[in-house]
Amino acid sequence: GALVYQYPRRTICKSGTSMRMECQAVGFQATSVAWYRQSPQKTFELIALSTVNSAIKYEQNFTQEKFPISHPNLSFSSMTVLNAYLEDRGLYLCGAREGGQDTQYFGPGTRLLVL
Amino acid sequence: AQSVTQPDARVTVSEGASLQLRCKYSYSATPYLFWYVQYPRQGLQLLLKYYSGDPVVQGVNSFEAEFSKSNSSFHLQKASVHWSDSAVYFCALSINSNYQLIWGSGTKLIIKP
Repeated sequence: GALVYQYPRRTICKSGTSMRMECQAVGFQATSVAWYRQSPQKTFELIALSTVNSAIKYEQNFTQEKFPISHPNLSFSSMTVLNAYLEDRGLYLCGAREGGQDTQYFGPGTRLLVL
Repeated sequence: AQSVTQPDARVTVSEGASLQLRCKYSYSATPYLFWYVQYPRQGLQLLLKYYSGDPVVQGVNSFEAEFSKSNSSFHLQKASVHWSDSAVYFCALSINSNYQLIWGSGTKLIIKP
C-alpha cells in the first residue's frame, strides 16, 4: 500500500533557529508533494505545492525564503523552517500524490514547538 | 471564492448510536470532495472521496457520505459508532488539477460509553 513517513515526529527549537523536516513516500511515486501547516486551533493551511521537474508554488503568506523545499526525486521531499518563531509552531503535514491519481496520502506530521 | 464549512466544532454521540457530521462547500465548478480523519497524535487518513456518479459513497470503517449538489453538502454518516471512532474529522474540497485541497475547520467526534 501507499505510505508516507515524516521525520522527525516532534521537534523543539529555540526561537530564531531553523529546523528541517523530511517526507518519505513508500509504495508509490510522489510526483506531487504538498506541505501543510496545522496551527493550534486552526485547520490546515497549504504552504506550497511541489511537483517533480516543475517550480515549487508557494501560497500567499508563505515564501521560499522562509520555507525552502527540496523535492529531488519521486520518493522524498524536505522542508526547512528558517528562523522559527512562536507563530511557526504547529503540525506540519506532508501530502503526497502520484501523477494521474487523485488521492493525497498523508504522513503523521512533524510537530514543531518553538521556545 | 471556494470554501468548506464544518458548522459543528464538536459532536458527542453515544457508542452504538448513529452519526452525521456536516460539511457544506462553496465552489462553482464540479467539486471533488474528501473526508479525512485525524486520530490523536497521528496524521490524516482518507475515509472516502466523491467525484461523480452515485451521490452516496462508501468509505472505510463503515462510513459513508452523501453528496447533494442542490444543498452544496457532503455530510458524513455512520449507522453505529464505536469508541475507536473518536477523532477529528475534516472535510476537504479539491479545486484544481493539482488536487490542491481546501479544508474545513474540522469536527471533533466524542463517543460516550
